[in-house]
Parts: sequence; structure tokens; C-alpha cells
Amino acid sequence: DTGVSQDPRHKITKRGQNVTFRCDPISEHNRLYWYRQTLGQGPEFLTYFQNEAQLEKSRLLSDRFSAERPKGSFSTLEIQRTEQGDSAMYLCASSLAQDYGYTFGSGTRLTVV
Amino acid sequence: AQKITQTQPGMFVQEKEAVTLDCTYDTSDPSYGLFWYKQPSSGEMIFLIYQGSYDQQNATEGRYSLNFQKARKSANLVISASQLGDSAMYFCAIRLRFGAGTRLTVKP
Repeated sequence: DTGVSQDPRHKITKRGQNVTFRCDPISEHNRLYWYRQTLGQGPEFLTYFQNEAQLEKSRLLSDRFSAERPKGSFSTLEIQRTEQGDSAMYLCASSLAQDYGYTFGSGTRLTVV
Repeated sequence: AQKITQTQPGMFVQEKEAVTLDCTYDTSDPSYGLFWYKQPSSGEMIFLIYQGSYDQQNATEGRYSLNFQKARKSANLVISASQLGDSAMYFCAIRLRFGAGTRLTVKP
């Protein structure tokens, strides 16, 4: 098992464009989480899945953000009509269950110009 | 909703000494878990230690231990025998939410 994999590692996009990130969790983990982190801050919760069900979504996740986990394996996070304020590191994590520590991916760094 | 407070933006410790990183929290859940993570300057987030709210004993994991005081809603991380490689950001977390973090610098 190679851990949690995120793709791409870096993404530069023009304001107004749509972007999509992918996360492949550890195969036996049924929980998958998305966070956003800006420099010097703690990870900010966006959403999480148990298998294919999206169980919680932050109010920070505006209608421009959507996440899917269609078969309970990999997940995608899409941001539509990107804004400069979306520039951040987007972190994906997975865990075996609620009371297990997360394994994080290396993140996707988004820069909106 | 859960709230996590880490009141120490930065801490310094001499190599080989012990250091305590503070974390207080607020939750209405009757049962919950508390987590600590380390994020070195390279950026990867690493799980360190977990404490369940009904666990009778404080969690320990190598040089890491949790000073869990449920009545005070406090879950402080104690790192013993600090090493230079312990220099990093440390985050406390409860049910999907993370604190703002404490930057620990270990001095030689």
C-alpha cells in the first residue's frame, strides 16, 4: 500500500476556470476527508465520506465546491469558477473508522492567478 | 459544534528536555476522540496519538503522551526528551476539526 495519493501535486489556474483534484485513499479505509490549509493555519474541514456517502459538508463549502466518491474508493473535489481566495493546499486524508488517526496525502497546491 | 483552542502560537524547548503543548476543546458530544498531528516544514501531516474520552488511562506513544483532563476539557501533548527533528507545527483535533496549531522549535 502506497498510502494516500493526491493528484496533481500542483495546479495553477486562471481565475474563473474550473479545477478538479483526485484523491486515492488507502484501500481498506472507508472514511475519506477533504481539508483546505493556508499558510500558518490549521486544516479547515471541507467534507467527508463514509464509503460513497457524503456524510458532512462544511458551510465553507460553497456551491462552487463539490466532492464525489462514486464507488467508495477514490474521490474528486471540484472547484468551479475559481477565485483568488481559493488559493491554498487541498489535503485529502483517509481513516479506517471514526476513532482512528488519519493518514494524509501530500496535498494539491492550488494557485489561482 | 466542536471548538479547539491552542493558545501557544510558538514554543521553544532545549534539546533533550520535555515540552507540553496545550489544547483545550469544547464539545457537546458525550463520547469523542482527541488527536494530535505533527506537520514538519516539508508539509506532510503525521498522526501522533489518540485519546478516547472514556479511556481510563492517558494515551502514550513512544516519547509522546497525552495529559487528558476531561473535566477541564484539556488534552495537552507532552513530548519527552525533545529532538531536533521534533521541530514542526503541532495540531490538536477533535471530530473533524483542527486547532490553529503550535509551532515548536527545538534548540540544540
